[in-house]
Amino acid sequence: NAGVTQTPKFRVLKTGQSMTLLCAQDMNHEYMYWYRQDPGMGLRLIHYSVGEGTTAKGEVPDGYNVSRLKKQNFLLGLESAAPSQTSVYFCASGLDRGNTEAFFGQGTRLTVV
Amino acid sequence: AQSVTQLDSQVPVFEEAPVELRCNYSSSVSVYLFWYVQYPNQGLQLLLKYLSGSTLVESINGFEAEFNKSQTSFHLRKPSVHISDTAEYFCAVRRSYSGGSNYKLTFGKGTLLTVNP
Repeated sequence: NAGVTQTPKFRVLKTGQSMTLLCAQDMNHEYMYWYRQDPGMGLRLIHYSVGEGTTAKGEVPDGYNVSRLKKQNFLLGLESAAPSQTSVYFCASGLDRGNTEAFFGQGTRLTVV
Repeated sequence: AQSVTQLDSQVPVFEEAPVELRCNYSSSVSVYLFWYVQYPNQGLQLLLKYLSGSTLVESINGFEAEFNKSQTSFHLRKPSVHISDTAEYFCAVRRSYSGGSNYKLTFGKGTLLTVNP
């Protein structure tokens, strides 16, 4: 059971470089989320999607873009990385029902130098 | 709009002591409530959830949480903690019906529980 898979698990970027984080889920979930986790800040929602082809901004969307071309994949892009984007990024997915939980990936640790 | 407040960012306790992690929420609509746990260097996993019925819900590893509608709280408790319970705990809410909006999951900032020998 793969669940939610994030790639890569670790990455070091130089300031100004771009990269894409991939999230894949095999549970046929409608909802997918990207969060960042920083010490003392908890989980902050970057972007989310309520279905294939749709995306919406979360709390901290600046500097990030997302795409949901296929239901099972949710991509998070950094066009020009900044040191402030050093963080642990988590992807999650869930059903389109309020009484169900979200399932999380193992995280991507990104360092921007 | 909905929000979650976890009143303690860190809770240090000794092994076999009881613990309570506090969570309060605010929402203009009815919500479902969740507790997630994050062990070091791992993703979040569901610990327990309140949907309806009995206001006391339990997890398989001895944690319990009580939903209190009048106080808009969902505190997490364990009567006797183990070293292995050391983790970060997150409270979360999700609205119970769409009503033209969506089922976005909203988290608190987390409480780091450290169990010392």
